[in-house]
Amino acid sequence: GENVEQHPSTLSVQEGDSAVIKCTYSDSASNYFPWYKQELGKGPQLIIDIRSNVGEKKDQRIAVTLNKTAKHFSLHITETQPEDSAVYFCAANLGSQGNLIFGKGTKLSVKP
Amino acid sequence: EAGVAQSPRYKIIEKRQSVAFWCNPISGHATLYWYQQILGQGPKLLIQFQNNGVVDDSQLPKDRFSAERLKGVDSTLKIQPAKLEDSAVYLCASSFFGGYTFGSGTRLTVV
Repeated sequence: GENVEQHPSTLSVQEGDSAVIKCTYSDSASNYFPWYKQELGKGPQLIIDIRSNVGEKKDQRIAVTLNKTAKHFSLHITETQPEDSAVYFCAANLGSQGNLIFGKGTKLSVKP
Repeated sequence: EAGVAQSPRYKIIEKRQSVAFWCNPISGHATLYWYQQILGQGPKLLIQFQNNGVVDDSQLPKDRFSAERLKGVDSTLKIQPAKLEDSAVYLCASSFFGGYTFGSGTRLTVV
């Protein structure tokens, strides 16, 4: 079946450094790619998303890039802060109108 | 706007018992989802509703799981009988166009 692969599973950076998380997807009809941040004991929270008609989107310290030809997209966090520590999930919609399939998550640790 | 409400937050039951979870989506969101999140994994879709109709329940273990969304608003997810492998966080989400908003989830422990 269709799936989303996410790497790395864990990522540790120093405060102020950049963090990059990468995902690949298999459904060529996918056209919506959100990223979620999940803190302990909470539900996933949408932090940024991108649609297939756009190659890059930025929101302050967070950016997402999409390469539809290669079927991969990435999350970039610059100037990381301790409060960025959480589990991050990428997702892609199944087909152009379908529900979301999630990656397995990346545990990001930002050390002060 | 108010978020997606879920209850209870935690539930501990013995295997073979039954349990029910409740979700109240964001007002006006026609689409509602139930996801299962096993520890250390990403959420996995169980069922998707559009208003009060089922859109996708292909991954719902129908021999033990059931869900309904009466009147196209609140939804309940039931497990009967529960198995040890059902221990997970059950997340409800709703959407209007594209982006999902998740509730805080119900953490189920089956002992």
